[in-house]
Amino acid sequence: DTEVTQTPKHLVMGMTNKKSLKCEQHMGHRAMYWYKQKAKKPPELMFVYSYEKLSINESVPSRFSPECPNSSLLNLHLHALQPEDSALYLCASSQEAAGADTQYFGPGTRLTVL
Amino acid sequence: GQSLEQPSEVTAVEGAIVQINCTYQTSGFYGLSWYQQHDGGAPTFLSYNALDGLEETGRFSSFLSRSDSYGYLLLQELQMKDSASYFCAVREGNTGFQKLVFGTGTRLLVSP
Repeated sequence: DTEVTQTPKHLVMGMTNKKSLKCEQHMGHRAMYWYKQKAKKPPELMFVYSYEKLSINESVPSRFSPECPNSSLLNLHLHALQPEDSALYLCASSQEAAGADTQYFGPGTRLTVL
Repeated sequence: GQSLEQPSEVTAVEGAIVQINCTYQTSGFYGLSWYQQHDGGAPTFLSYNALDGLEETGRFSSFLSRSDSYGYLLLQELQMKDSASYFCAVREGNTGFQKLVFGTGTRLLVSP
């Protein structure tokens, strides 16, 4: 099983809402990632968890709050977002955070902030 | 700072061969990866080069020259389903942790 799943597929929220994005993998991978991708642009790294601990925060605004409840799950909590935060949010996982390793991406959550 | 440059768009016909170039500037370089992304889809891994030379995987090959900070993806016997965006990505960091930094992306359009 080389699948990373993400829910929901689409999300529309207002600027005062609180919502969460969920990501799950059952490949036994020890590193999980959140990326943000705007239309016709490359994915941009937001956060990295390695062994369930936050390893990298790429200076992401605090209105995005990641959480890794266990080795298979990764959440991204959203609060007080801005319209410019509308994008495709991709989750990925890899066997290890260090070393020559392939990242497996989920299908993404397309977020629209009104 | 980091930068990875790719052509924005490449067009070709079915059955042809196309090369997508990637030039990069980065520190702590560990290797160059290539990902394919169809419209509305997730990036999927194609190939990885850690050392200079050519890596071949079926119809796709990838090349790296570390001294020139340059790589390319070669797609042979093009099919309509190859129409997608292709991203090079540098694996950079240190021995403890590495991350992917993606290039600007190349949109490949394959016509009949």
